[in-house]
Amino acid sequence: AQSVTQLDSQVPVFEEAPVELRCNYSSSVSVYLFWYVQYPNQGLQLLLKYLSGSTLVKGINGFEAEFNKSQTSFHLRKPSVHISDTAEYFCAVIHNNAGNMLTFGGGTRLMVKP
Amino acid sequence: KAGVTQTPRYLIKTRGQQVTLSCSPISGHRSVSWYQQTPGQGLQFLFEYFSETQRNKGNFPGRFSGRQFSNSRSEMNVSTLELGDSALYLCASSFDPGESYEQYFGPGTRLTVT
Repeated sequence: AQSVTQLDSQVPVFEEAPVELRCNYSSSVSVYLFWYVQYPNQGLQLLLKYLSGSTLVKGINGFEAEFNKSQTSFHLRKPSVHISDTAEYFCAVIHNNAGNMLTFGGGTRLMVKP
Repeated sequence: KAGVTQTPRYLIKTRGQQVTLSCSPISGHRSVSWYQQTPGQGLQFLFEYFSETQRNKGNFPGRFSGRQFSNSRSEMNVSTLELGDSALYLCASSFDPGESYEQYFGPGTRLTVT
């Protein structure tokens, strides 16, 4: 079985400050890792993914994440946030050979304050 | 290219009724997955279809069913609705599961059961 834990349900941060959203996963087999963003009244949008290769992954809107196999983590970072980054962020995994079945974490609400 | 479309966007039903939700994937995409999003349980995988065949199924009762047509459009059906079925139902499409793993989500159908 696999599970995904997002350690913070809410993260308040001031505009132009850096932010890190934490994600840990548990799985006995290889996984692929993803971060999605959900704006109010919208579906999910893929920010970035890790399938293999370099452990530092860059995504859209200036976000990046680092895969750490020993700590089973995949934390999302942005050096300087904007008001428009206010949204819900979801970490997710796909088990190897499980098609497209995503297992999501509980989500982190990023609140950017002026 | 048009995105994933879901109809209807909002739906209100009464306990005991049944409901059918529709999803049209991005043109050329052959895989469609469905997810349920609720405040209490978060995002949970329902099922995935590829070339009209169900590839994966989540841990939901048999009241939840789906199908995919030859044009890749998909429908999901919930019979004998319960209050707990109130949720945002999200559909996601991808070109070919097991390759890029990039899924594109629709805006969702918000179902309210009274």
